[in-house]
Amino acid sequence: GAGVSQSPRYKVAKRGQDVALRCDPISGHVSLFWYQQALGQGPEFLTYFQNEAQLDKSGLPSDRFFAERPEGSVSTLKIQRTQQEDSAVYLCASSLTGTGYGYTFGSGTRLTVV
Amino acid sequence: AQSVTQLDSHVSVSEGTPVLLRCNYSSSYSPSLFWYVQHPNKGLQLLLKYTSAATLVKGINGFEAEFKKSETSFHLTKPSAHMSDAAEYFCVADNYGQNFVFGPGTRLSVLP
Repeated sequence: GAGVSQSPRYKVAKRGQDVALRCDPISGHVSLFWYQQALGQGPEFLTYFQNEAQLDKSGLPSDRFFAERPEGSVSTLKIQRTQQEDSAVYLCASSLTGTGYGYTFGSGTRLTVV
Repeated sequence: AQSVTQLDSHVSVSEGTPVLLRCNYSSSYSPSLFWYVQHPNKGLQLLLKYTSAATLVKGINGFEAEFKKSETSFHLTKPSAHMSDAAEYFCVADNYGQNFVFGPGTRLSVLP
């Protein structure tokens, strides 16, 4: 597609519920990144894929978070047993390769845990 | 690890006056640097990027930024603010090619 597509746009989850957030990157983009943006703050790195390989997951805040990109295109960020502190906008970005020339970001998924 | 500082959390200017948004990075090397803009309920949009070519970088919508290694700075400027420039601006540094590090953001308000 023309841009990075994320779904759903908004998600309300009850505390303890599992959620799955989807990212569809620009076709042909090798690198895919997930960021978490809490209210009033800058985005913070969660994890990075190069094709289907997850090369860096150092930013995932707990073992309740995991991400996958099984075929090297669409990626899913899953959060198990959601907590109120998980409420944030989750941003996906893709790039042709690496970080040197900037990413294209999706519009994000706003997760609210109640 | 790389870190990015944006000295002002909020900048307010009048329409038609210059804009200056300040950014400093901390690194033992010169990273790739970027400015992104985020309008309310919209995605992040790339304004401009510095990747070790010319130190004065021109971006979209009349914005430009100058890389100054001696000051470890990458300030964003625009000669004349427009109402549509009101948004959140993020200075971003490449973190050794692994990912991006974002500054905390500067909210720009433009007064009529």
